[in-house]
Amino acid sequence: EAQVTQNPRYLITVTGKKLTVTCSQNMNHEYMSWYRQDPGLGLRQIYYSMNVEVTDKGDVPEGYKVSRKEKRNFPLILESPSPNQTSLYFCASRTGPSGNTIYFGEGSWLTVV
Amino acid sequence: QKEVEQNSGPLSVPEGAIASLNCTYSDRGSQSFFWYRQYSGKSPELIMSIYSNGDKEDGRFTAQLNKASQYVSLLIRDSQPSDSATYLCAVTNSGYALNFGKGTSLLVTP
Repeated sequence: EAQVTQNPRYLITVTGKKLTVTCSQNMNHEYMSWYRQDPGLGLRQIYYSMNVEVTDKGDVPEGYKVSRKEKRNFPLILESPSPNQTSLYFCASRTGPSGNTIYFGEGSWLTVV
Repeated sequence: QKEVEQNSGPLSVPEGAIASLNCTYSDRGSQSFFWYRQYSGKSPELIMSIYSNGDKEDGRFTAQLNKASQYVSLLIRDSQPSDSATYLCAVTNSGYALNFGKGTSLLVTP
């Protein structure tokens, strides 16, 4: 079954404590991305990756890091989380620029207190 | 910034009626257009994609695209309470970035 798997699904953490949200896809997709979704602001892209070792900033990259060492994995790293990073996060993947089906993970609810 | 605009709603329609959702976009180079449905707290799911001017029908859903007016719409016929959700319009110029609108909340009342 085609899947994008994110972990953790729910997390409450404290300001400044580094955390990583993992994302893995089993479809051999080249393109992966991270979005955050906030009330009234919609889905905003944080970072994306076009292939292994190729990443670039999206619209709201501040406070986040990513890496793409393997094709299937695209972790999102919050080095020093702050309360304004409290959000619902989605990982997504597709075959490439012309891939018209985006597969979303189930989402990760992150609360920073 | 490439803008994708949607009325936030809520759009309320009675069961069995046609729901009409609209989206405008700013990037004239946009080539691919998508409608996603998102239930509260869940991930978006693709309903329709459209790439050329005109209408595209799939079951109760019809997507309409007018590139000259930079306008894309989604019609839902015979609306059901289960259609109540937020509908996201997404646009890409066939690059890697997919730009989403903020979504329109649809409420179908029995």
